[in-house]
Formats: sequence, structure tokens, C-alpha cells
Amino acid sequence: GAGVSQSPSNKVTEKGKDVELRCDPISGHTALYWYRQSLGQGLEFLIYFQGNSAPDKSGLPSDRFSAERTGGSVSTLTIQRTQQEDSAVYLCASSLDVSESSYEQYFGPGTRLTVT
Amino acid sequence: DQQVKQNSPSLSVQEGRISILNCDYTNSMFDYFLWYKKYPAEGPTFLISISSIKDKNEDGRFTVFLNKSAKHLSLHIVPSQPGDSAVYFCAASARNTDKLIFGTGTRLQVFP
Repeated sequence: GAGVSQSPSNKVTEKGKDVELRCDPISGHTALYWYRQSLGQGLEFLIYFQGNSAPDKSGLPSDRFSAERTGGSVSTLTIQRTQQEDSAVYLCASSLDVSESSYEQYFGPGTRLTVT
Repeated sequence: DQQVKQNSPSLSVQEGRISILNCDYTNSMFDYFLWYKKYPAEGPTFLISISSIKDKNEDGRFTVFLNKSAKHLSLHIVPSQPGDSAVYFCAASARNTDKLIFGTGTRLQVFP
């Protein structure tokens, strides 16, 4: 079946603009995660959804970052007033449920965000 | 504060030989560990995992070893193949949380 999809694959934006990144998880997966990978860094956890609620937003770097999930499916990550340090690859992952099997997360290809 | 560390940013191995990728962690609450493989322009893909109740898990050419006392795990690939060339991420999770903490990755290159 289809894997996790993300759009756009690449986004170049000017500093100060808002951007929206979209994630379509694998059908039936109730858990959804957002990560980002900055140049030379590992994957940094941002936020996690179980259904439409976000029990853990601890990784969001600032209040310019927000995310929502509707219908237990698609999620959007919004970055307001983008800064150059927001440039990174933003990765979305999904898993079946919150259980040991949920540790095996399935990743999308990512959105490469460049803030000029 | 890097809770999961992969101290070797890169590794080069000849085809047919063993590749050993290392990972260290600091949080004693971690009880599940995973290895992910990432090709350029793709998302990471799950490779193999191990629970803290085990010290070894094997799947084909891939074996993960866990040394809890040393807070160290390693991924062995034998024999290494050119298609194994990728970035390998170590990740860890604690049972009372639902997020994975990733290391910074090790780029493996397998040459003929």
C-alpha cells in the first residue's frame, strides 16, 4: 500500500514568510510524528499526535511552530515568520498505535525547507 | 544534551567485510533501541530493533548487540554489500514516552 507522503518535497521561502508543510500518514496509522534534520544533525523530535490530539509538543522549538491533525489522518506543520535557522529537512512518520510496535515508525521522504 | 550518540560520522568498508556501527546512550530509562537506514532524498527506513531484555537480535545479515551496563549498542552487517551504503541512525525510546531519540547518524560506504 501507499507509504507516508509529504508535500511539498522542496520549499524555498523568504525570511519572515509563513510556510505550511503537509503529511499524509499510512492509512490506519493512528500515531503521527514530526521531526526535523538540520545540516549535520540527527533527527530532532518536534511533536507527536495520537489521533487528533498532541500529547507531546515538547520538541517544538518556539511558538512560531504549530501543528494540527484532522480526521486522524493528514497533519500540517506551520512555521510562522520563518527564520534562516528553520532551514532543515522536515520529516513525518506514522505508526500503528501507541504500543511497542509503534516504535517502528514509517517515515515519509521529507520536505526540504530553505529560508533565504 | 545528546542522549544518543554516534561518535563516528563516517565508516568505509570493503565489500564482503564486516561493518560495525556503534551507538552510545546516556539515559538509563531507554528500553527499546532501533536502527534506521537512510538513503539520500528518502526518509529513514526501519532496519532492526532490540528490547532491553535482550542482548542480541539477528535478522539475516544484520545483528544488533546491546550492552546495557556500558549503555552501548552496535549494528553488525556481514557480509557488507555496496547497496548497504547509506546513513545509519541509532534511535532509542523509553517505555513511558512515545518518541524516538535519534543519534546524528553514521555514513557507511561499502566499496568493491
